[in-house]
Amino acid sequence: GAVVSQHPSRVICKSGTSVKIECRSLDFQATTMFWYRQFPKQSLMLMATSNEGSKATYEQGVEKDKFLINHASLTLSTLTVTSAHPEDSSFYICSARDLGTSFSYEQYFGPGTRLTVT
Amino acid sequence: AQSVAQPEDQVNVAEGNPLTVKCTYSVSGNPYLFWYVQYPNRGLQFLLKYITGDNLVKGSYGFEAEFNKSQTSFHLKKPSALVSDSALYFCAVRDMDTGGFKTIFGAGTRLFVKA
Repeated sequence: GAVVSQHPSRVICKSGTSVKIECRSLDFQATTMFWYRQFPKQSLMLMATSNEGSKATYEQGVEKDKFLINHASLTLSTLTVTSAHPEDSSFYICSARDLGTSFSYEQYFGPGTRLTVT
Repeated sequence: AQSVAQPEDQVNVAEGNPLTVKCTYSVSGNPYLFWYVQYPNRGLQFLLKYITGDNLVKGSYGFEAEFNKSQTSFHLKKPSALVSDSALYFCAVRDMDTGGFKTIFGAGTRLFVKA
């Protein structure tokens, strides 16, 4: 089956620093990747949609200058949390859709990255 | 607007008993419905989907879901629960208002299976 990896799985950083999270589709090409944020015991909140070779589309209320997304290839998207603050601590999950699929596409999810900002 | 509702925060069931995790939806047009499972500190895993065809959809790990158009429901079921089924379950619908591109997730239902 399709596999999506994320790196790192856990990261602890100091307030004010930046953190980069990588999302890779390992055995398929993904024109589109999605970045979610999940608070404890809550559902996934879509942050942005990342399209290969173009600018990401951010959901309302998500600061694009704080959460930088780059989708440089069909298998890699990165999320950089800039000038992180403790309130950015969360579980970040990426997902990808297979190239050329229709509305019935399945989303393949990465294992998530636990970010803790101290 | 498209939406899904999972009315139960938590479901408790004894091992070996049947389980049901409820989901209702509200969509314009034909629904594209999904169930995902999440284990602690992990991403979501796809269980099954309904696009068209038979109302009873069979998925991974012995799970199935029944699409009921009149009741706008898509409940997840399993005939005999296992302790290892304990996890967080999400119902989801494709957001056709935005061209079917994005997925809307329910709030999630935590399933506890007791031995």
